Formats: sequence, C-alpha cells, structure tokens
Amino acid sequence: DVKVTQSSRYLVKRTGEKVFLECVQDMDHENMFWYRQDPGLGLRLIYFSYDVKMKEKGDIPEGYSVSREKKERFSLILESASTNQTSMYLCASSLRDRTYGYTFGSGTRLTVV
Amino acid sequence: GQSLEQPSEVTAVEGAIVQINCTYQTSGFYGLSWYQQHDGGAPTFLSYNALDGLEETGRFSSFLSRSDSYGYLLLQELQMKDSASYFCAVRSNQAGTALIFGKGTTLSVSS
Repeated sequence: DVKVTQSSRYLVKRTGEKVFLECVQDMDHENMFWYRQDPGLGLRLIYFSYDVKMKEKGDIPEGYSVSREKKERFSLILESASTNQTSMYLCASSLRDRTYGYTFGSGTRLTVV
Repeated sequence: GQSLEQPSEVTAVEGAIVQINCTYQTSGFYGLSWYQQHDGGAPTFLSYNALDGLEETGRFSSFLSRSDSYGYLLLQELQMKDSASYFCAVRSNQAGTALIFGKGTTLSVSS
C-alpha cells in the first residue's frame, strides 16, 4: 500500500511564525501536491511538483512556498503565518502517468493564533 | 479559468440509489475523477473517466459526457457507511499534472 505521511496531525502556531509542513511518500511517486481544505470551498491547489527540485504554482500560492529536495519528500512552508491560513492541509502523491488517482495523507490541521 | 459545479448536499435512505452530478468548465480536458472523504479522513480515489460512457466498480458507477461537460457518480444499494463527502475533480492541461477539485457533495444516508 502506498503511504503518504504528514508529520503532524494537529499544529498550533503564532501569527508571523515560519511554519513547515512535511510530507513523505514511500512508493517512489514522481508527482506530489499540496492542497488546503476549508468548509464549503473544497480542496484548493497550493503547489505541486512533478520531479525533484521542480515546483509549479497552483490556484492559491500566495503566502506559501515549497521545497522538494528528495523525491519522497515535499515540504510546504508558510513564510509568515497568518490567521487566514488556519486550515486543513492535505498532501497527495501520484505516479507520473496516473495523475488522476492520488493517494492522500491524513492531513495536518493548522491553527494560527 | 476552470470551474466545477456539484450539489452541496444530498440525502437518501439505505438501499436507495443516488446520483451526484458534476458539471465542469475547463480547456484541454483530459478526464474526470471522483473521490470519497469520510469525516476526519483522507480523500480516497474512487473512479476516473477519460472517455464518454459508464465505468462500473461494484456498487459505484461513474459516467462522463465530454460533449456536455458533465459527469455523475451513481451509488447503488446505499449503506450507512456511504455517508461521506464526494468530490469530482478534473484533469486538464490548464493545471498541468494536478487535479482541480469541486467543492464537494455531502451525502447523508439514513436508515
């Protein structure tokens, strides 16, 4: 079974802090993705990566950056956390040629106070 | 831009059949995926349609009409455990290798 592991299930951070959300997958998937999920808004794409050191902006990249130094790890960085970044963050991965079928992690619920 | 429309809520009783519709607007369309998410859980992949027609997987079926920019997820013989949110998602060249998701439909199944 593919596993996508997000380092924290719950996280509370202060406004202005730099926040790192980590995601690791163990099945050699080329593609990795970060979404945020908010009630009534569904899943919105923040950033994605189709290879090591490659990154592409999604629909809502403002206030975020990403890092992919190794194939199995994709990090989401909140440069200066703000209260409107309080959300559930979901990481996902897929094979290069199976981009329709993601495997998601369990999510990190981030609260910024 | 891209947009997907699906109903926000659907209710049904055990044993019934329910259809969750999804209409989309995008360019460079490749296909339509469906995901299920239980409360507090991770979304899980259900099905994918790249071509017109019906795909069946057990009690769940998914349909696509590319000419109408429309698809649906059909759930038969509903069970209480089917209570969840269901998301349609499009794959198109507008978002590269990424899926763009709809806002989700909450299905409540009662006995």
